[in-house]
Amino acid sequence: AQSVTQLGSHVSVSEGALVLLRCNYSSSVPPYLFWYVQYPNQGLQLLLKYTTGATLVKGINGFEAEFKKSETSFHLTKPSAHMSDAAEYFCAVSIGTGGFKTIFGAGTRLFVKA
Amino acid sequence: GAVVSQHPSRVICKSGTSVKIECRSLDFQATTMFWYRQFPKQSLMLMATSNEGSKATYEQGVEKDKFLINHASLTLSTLTVTSAHPEDSSFYICSARDLTSGGGNTGELFFGEGSRLTVL
Repeated sequence: AQSVTQLGSHVSVSEGALVLLRCNYSSSVPPYLFWYVQYPNQGLQLLLKYTTGATLVKGINGFEAEFKKSETSFHLTKPSAHMSDAAEYFCAVSIGTGGFKTIFGAGTRLFVKA
Repeated sequence: GAVVSQHPSRVICKSGTSVKIECRSLDFQATTMFWYRQFPKQSLMLMATSNEGSKATYEQGVEKDKFLINHASLTLSTLTVTSAHPEDSSFYICSARDLTSGGGNTGELFFGEGSRLTVL
């Protein structure tokens, strides 16, 4: 069965510091991988995605993630945190067979300290 | 990218009444839409898959008669919470895929803004 694990329900960083949000997945078939961001009382917005090709993908707002097949990981990073990055981040896996079932991780809330 | 809009964003109702939430794809046609429920500080729980012109597919444990889903057109799906009770209070989110874009072939989802339901 497919699953997504986000390590750390809460991550706190100082403004200007590196952001690292961890995501590991399990899948019996090659997955498509996504990071979504959710601001309070809003829906989710796509940050970035990995489908095929280059394993380092860049997204909006300076975020990037690297797909590491050997580690079954898709960690999200940003070199320098900004106050506006404070939000909930969800890692998701989409499995292609049968209509793309999407599985979400539990989410990681990012706090950014001034 | 594709835009999905939900309405209302907030609704407060009395126990026993029914509430309808609309989900619209504004610039693309969506044959399939998804409805989620999100509890405070938790992830999204898929409730059902809404299929245009046919019955919705409900996830295990979701009451079909409680959460009525109608997908009458290619741009509109509605979720009706019938005879709402305080335990139905939650944040409901819809999403859809744009199959005309490359993302549609990878499972990329476009989300509505969410609707917060409070049942008194």
